[in-house]
Order: sequence, then structure tokens, then C-alpha cells
Amino acid sequence: EIVLTQSPGTLSLSPGERATLSCRASQSVSSNYLDWFQQRPGQAPRLLIYDASSRATGIPDRFSGSGSGTDFTLTISRLEPEDFAVYYCHQYASSPWTFGQGTKVEIK
Amino acid sequence: QVQLVESGGGLVKPGGSLRLSCAASGFIFSDYYMSWIRQAPGKGLEWVSYISSSGSTIDYADSVKGRFTISRDNAKNSLYLQMNSLKAEDTAVYYCAKGHTVMVPWGQGTLVTVSS
Repeated sequence: EIVLTQSPGTLSLSPGERATLSCRASQSVSSNYLDWFQQRPGQAPRLLIYDASSRATGIPDRFSGSGSGTDFTLTISRLEPEDFAVYYCHQYASSPWTFGQGTKVEIK
Repeated sequence: QVQLVESGGGLVKPGGSLRLSCAASGFIFSDYYMSWIRQAPGKGLEWVSYISSSGSTIDYADSVKGRFTISRDNAKNSLYLQMNSLKAEDTAVYYCAKGHTVMVPWGQGTLVTVSS
């Protein structure tokens, strides 16, 4: 099973700042089959990035994904008020699919 | 637009059973794999199961294998999760999602509480 470890656990930033979230896999994620979800309180997760770097439909370009192998990054270039939420990475390269434990982006 | 609506959640005693449903609309249901994912209260996400468009390919997380059964009825545009031998640790919001690798979108979820 591929274990995904996200860091930091919590990121305290101000609106307009840049957020950098990390997701490290216990083994290589083939074909970069990794995506990122955003979850706001009381809502279902929303897909932001798939295949490590492709933005999902309707996702603003301030969200970007990068990485390969075992190290992946989600970057939010300038935080908007609605971006304060929990973010999860997820791999679908190897069964069982697994999720990271989440990074909470909170207002400083 | 694509819409997924889960139902069937509720309070059940340990060892009991429950059947969840997911009604799909806005896309050709029979063309897509479908998935179930759950989230325990205040916790992270856990993939549960997926089923292929025809129902011929199925996979489960080890934590539910042998207790949960995923199925679908393409004529009714519906996905199901039969949950037997429920345990306290199965308490969670259960989401259905379109797709099995890139899962999008997700429904709003249905809460399952396993408690005596």
C-alpha cells in the first residue's frame, strides 16, 4: 500500500500569500497518478488537480500541481478567502487507492 | 449537470446491515466506473470500493472486504453499497463519486452511524 504523507499539518497564512503544500509517497506513484482535493467545512471534496499537474474543469489558475515519483506539491499562488480549507492528496496508481491525512490552510 | 445523491444512511447497531444508494443524473451512467469513499467524523478520506461500468470489475479496501458489496443498476442509474457486519469504525459520511481513478464529482454524502 502506498502511504501518502502531507506536510505541514496546518498552514497559517494571510489572504494574498502563497501556499505550498507537500505530499510525499512511500513509493513511486507511477504515471504521476496523483490528484488533489479541496474540502471546505460541511462540503464534499472538490477535485482541483489530477495526474499531478492538470487542473480540473472550472478550477482557477492560481491552483497548480507539480512533482513526480514520490514528491508532489500543490501551490496556491495568491490565497483568496474561499481557499481556506483542508486539502488532500490521493493516489490512484496502485490499489488500494490511498489519501494523505490532509493539510489545513487557515487564516493567520 | 452531473448530480449524485446518496441516501440510506442512518443509525444501526454493531453487527447490523445497511444499504446505501446513489442516484446519478446528468451523464450516461452506464459508461462510467463509480466509487464509494468514506470520511469518519473529523477524520480524513478513505477509499472504500469501485465498480466498473458493466459491474464486471470490482475492488474493495481491505477494511471492508468480505463485509461490503458494491453493485449497480444501469437501468435505474443507481449505485449501491450493501454493508453487513457493521462495526463502530464504519461510522462515517459515505460519498459516491463518478469515476474510479479521477473521481469527479462527489455527492454530498450520507451519514452512517454504528452504535448501540
